[in-house]
Amino acid sequence: DQQVKQNSPSLSVQEGRISILNCDYTNSMFDYFLWYKKYPAEGPTFLISISSIKDKNEDGRFTVFLNKSAKHLSLHIVPSQPGDSAVYFCAASGRNAGNMLTFGGGTRLMVKP
Amino acid sequence: KAGVTQTPRYLIKTRGQQVTLSCSPISGHRSVSWYQQTPGQGLQFLFEYFSETQRNKGNFPGRFSGRQFSNSRSEMNVSTLELGDSALYLCASSERTSGGYYNEQFFGPGTRLTVL
Repeated sequence: DQQVKQNSPSLSVQEGRISILNCDYTNSMFDYFLWYKKYPAEGPTFLISISSIKDKNEDGRFTVFLNKSAKHLSLHIVPSQPGDSAVYFCAASGRNAGNMLTFGGGTRLMVKP
Repeated sequence: KAGVTQTPRYLIKTRGQQVTLSCSPISGHRSVSWYQQTPGQGLQFLFEYFSETQRNKGNFPGRFSGRQFSNSRSEMNVSTLELGDSALYLCASSERTSGGYYNEQFFGPGTRLTVL
């Protein structure tokens, strides 16, 4: 039972354009969401997070949107750069779960020069 | 601040053996969580330690265990290794407020375990 799903295994975008990565969740108890970027042979790197009391959070080129009614979140990267090419994971946590993160399966982003 | 460090980075073991992996969190971080990453199952939560106590546990057999020391460093142990235990084991650290609210978790580079 996958509680966090990233339905697109891969995404290809031209440099300078917007990258939109999507994530869906099923557990209503989730109230904190995070995005991580991962390069091969490295641990995930934290990008941005959002609490369920918000619907948007921005940090530089990265913006996360949360639609609680649809149980959907998305990560926007604008403008996309070749160095953004990596696997992106969304993760979710619930207040009763402490620091336990439930991860999606990841989306491989390729930004072409 | 130095990041999360994990040792060793690579490990090869045979079935039936046991293994101990080590994790040093970011200075000041008191919560340490462990995750297993495999191609088939993705990133899965193993357990979390805070103040030397296991706070949460994922759905893994009892062969997987861990502990945390007073300096917040953590170890995880896998006994009676199986081929399916081959994976990247990741450690993550975070601050944990007294109210129990969670913060961003920062991951180490991982230990790549191969079981032959």
